[in-house]
This record gives sequence, structure tokens and C-alpha cells, in this order.
Amino acid sequence: QLQLQESGPGLVKPSETLSLTCTVSGGSISSSHHYWGWIRQPPGKGLEWIGSISYAGSTYHNPSLKSRVTISADTSKNQFSLRLSSVTAADTAVYYCTEERAGTIVDYWGQGRLVTVSS
Amino acid sequence: DIQMTQSPSSLSASVGDRVTLTCRASQSISTSLNWYQQKPGRAPNLLIYGASSLQSGVPSRFSGSGSGTDFILTISGLQPEDFATYYCQHSSITPPTFGQGTNVEVK
Repeated sequence: QLQLQESGPGLVKPSETLSLTCTVSGGSISSSHHYWGWIRQPPGKGLEWIGSISYAGSTYHNPSLKSRVTISADTSKNQFSLRLSSVTAADTAVYYCTEERAGTIVDYWGQGRLVTVSS
Repeated sequence: DIQMTQSPSSLSASVGDRVTLTCRASQSISTSLNWYQQKPGRAPNLLIYGASSLQSGVPSRFSGSGSGTDFILTISGLQPEDFATYYCQHSSITPPTFGQGTNVEVK
């Protein structure tokens, strides 16, 4: 059974960079046909897809965030990461790391990490 | 982006009821439509993918239908554990987008 776990700071200052890491167990992030992504959910609101990275290292981003988002993978640690630059209060959300089938069907979710942007 | 609109935003139902949730896409997405259930404080859970395929381990009282722009999630015989928020999501093009959710609450 695949398991995903987010880690990283829960508080980030405005204008700084949010950084989160997802550690995957029960499977390899290099396995074919798996995509590894990030989805966020502001408190009390709906879900927003941020982007994903494929097993081959190709990345896909939500155009609304594209210029601020970097998604990368470290196969040696079986981890992938999210960096979101120039954050504002609007970026306050629970951030979920996910495993997607091709076509952005989300099969597995981490438990979520609340990140608050505040000075 | 493709806009996903769910209706109603919330509904009240009783255990045993047959519940129907609707999702509409702003343009045709064929059958690239998925449904998730989310309980408070928890991550969402995939119920239905490809408009009508039941995810492994999901009870058969959940079913999905539709194609093009109009989709339905049906819960046949609501159970206590089914009170939750349900989201539809298209997986047709990037970015995939979600509906705003339907909250199914106790009547």
C-alpha cells in the first residue's frame, strides 16, 4: 500500500518561499506510469491542483501558479518536493502531496500539511 | 480552464435515502470525470473515476454516470459514514479543476 507523508515548515513569512517535501513509502517514485503531485485547499474552501512530476521527470503546472511553482524529485530518497515563491496570505492552505494515474486521477493522498503565511 | 459546477452546494438527507449529486463542466470532457469524498480534517478519497468506474474498495452503493458536460453521483442507501463533502474533478486537460463541493449533511 502506497503511503505519502508531507513535511516542511507550517509557517512562512509573506514574500518568502514555501518548501514542502513528500516522502513516499510502499512504492518507488521512479515506477512507470506514476505521477507525483501537489494539491492545496485553503481553510474552508475547495481544492486546487498545483502541479505534478512524472516518473520520467517531466513537470506539469497550473498556469495560474506556474511562474512561482517548482516541483522536483529525488529518486535516491524516494521523495518529491514543492517550492512556491513569493507567497502571500492567499497561499495559506492545507497542502496535500498525491499520487496520480496518468490523466490526473488522484489515487493516493498524504494526510496534508497546513501552511500559514503570516509575518 | 474548464469550470466545474456542482449542485446543490449542500443537501440534507437521512440514512437509507437515495442521494443524487450533479456536476456540470463548462465544456465537453467526454468521460474524464472523477468523484472524491472528503470528511472533515481528512484528505479526499477517490470514489469514481472515468465517470462511472468504481475505485477498488469503494462500496457498490456509490455509482456514477454521465458524459460530455453533465454527470451524476448516486448514493443508493445512504449510510452514516457517507455524510461528507463530495467533489467532482475533470481530468481532461491541464489544469484539472474541481467543483466547489456538495456537502451531504444529516437531516
